[in-house]
Amino acid sequence: ILNVEQSPQSLHVQEGDSTNFTCSFPSSNFYALHWYRWETAKSPEALFVMTLNGDEKKKGRISATLNTKEGYSYLYIKGSQPEDSATYLCAFSRNTGGFKTIFGAGTRLFVKA
Amino acid sequence: DADVTQTPRNRITKTGKRIMLECSQTKGHDRMYWYRQDPGLGLRLIYYSFDVKDINKGEISDGYSVSRQAQAKFSLSLESAIPNQTALYFCATSDLISLERLTDTQYFGPGTRLTVL
Repeated sequence: ILNVEQSPQSLHVQEGDSTNFTCSFPSSNFYALHWYRWETAKSPEALFVMTLNGDEKKKGRISATLNTKEGYSYLYIKGSQPEDSATYLCAFSRNTGGFKTIFGAGTRLFVKA
Repeated sequence: DADVTQTPRNRITKTGKRIMLECSQTKGHDRMYWYRQDPGLGLRLIYYSFDVKDINKGEISDGYSVSRQAQAKFSLSLESAIPNQTALYFCATSDLISLERLTDTQYFGPGTRLTVL
């Protein structure tokens, strides 16, 4: 059984704080690592996908890094805003037979104005 | 208009009833998925389909069945609903022919909240 672990489970920050979360995944048979943003009462939406060790992606104040050798990815939010409040899901895709993508439980971020 | 739609959005039913959840997509994607989400757990895969003639069991398929009626439609059935099937159900699609197919980026519907009493 493959596990994708995300930490922390939830996080409360003040507006303007910078924050980061961790996604841990099996380092073998790596194919891709995805981050999704899931706002309450909406559908999860893709933020980033990374495929190579050392990849870094950025979208506005949000960025992500990838270490496939040790099996982790970080998501960073600089200067958090209330509209960043959401659950951030990590998903690991493997390159062996059978279904490929496994989701973590997510980190729930609350940003207080 | 939404690219991936699900009906119904909310459903309350009783133990033993047969329930069908429907998913339609206008994205033209070949791959379709059904997930369930429970509090504190990640999205868990129920079934997936890579084309109209292809159906595959996921991590938690027991108690569920699916039908891929067309490229654009993928239905999930609970033959005899039980209370522990109370959950939020998502349909998702991904693309076989774009660059993103190599990474299996998925596009989600709005979800169906199912309550089994």
